[in-house]
Amino acid sequence: AQKVTQAQTEISVVEKEDVTLDCVYETRDTTYYLFWYKQPPSGELVFLIRRNSFDEQNEISGRYSWNFQKSTSSFNFTITASQVVDSAVYFCALSEAQVGDAGNMLTFGGGTRLMVKP
Amino acid sequence: EAGVTQFPSHSVIEKGQTVTLRCDPISGHDNLYWYRRVMGKEIKFLLHFVKESKQDESGMPNNRFLAERTGGTYSTLKVQPAELEDSGVYFCASSHRTGGGHEQYFGPGTRLTVT
Repeated sequence: AQKVTQAQTEISVVEKEDVTLDCVYETRDTTYYLFWYKQPPSGELVFLIRRNSFDEQNEISGRYSWNFQKSTSSFNFTITASQVVDSAVYFCALSEAQVGDAGNMLTFGGGTRLMVKP
Repeated sequence: EAGVTQFPSHSVIEKGQTVTLRCDPISGHDNLYWYRRVMGKEIKFLLHFVKESKQDESGMPNNRFLAERTGGTYSTLKVQPAELEDSGVYFCASSHRTGGGHEQYFGPGTRLTVT
């Protein structure tokens, strides 16, 4: 069975601080995908990034960076120089590799609420 | 391009009543998913449509829930009769491609409150 754990339920930082959101996953599959989604106050989940299990390269996109480490089953997300607009709930998710018409059901962590204060 | 839309945004009903939630996926997306987040819990998968066919409904909690996607466009999720534990936020998502690892685009959710 798959499981995603986001141990930090809530984080509060002051603007311009760096913050790291932790994500630890469990799966028996050798091929899988990891995702991060952002849920702003408007409610929809906004896709941020996808990684497959064979690509452990870290990724940077502007102020966002992701650190994928298979050895520790972690896929952590860092926001550099946080801004008030980064305030949201962030979800880490996992899906198995599928073939044919099988979909990629997402298994979510509990989410981390990030509050960035001015 | 319009995103995934859901209607209503919020519904308050009494225990025993019926509620129907609607999801309009992104145009051209064959894959449509329903998820639910019950208060204090993780977002959980309910079911997956490929066009009008149910590909996976392993997450449906019981037979009080009925999902349809006639014509392979929009989908409805009916809860009948509603129970208190059905309260939560129901998310719909769609994706263009099948197989693993494709990002799903989510709607804003419908907040269902059963009193």
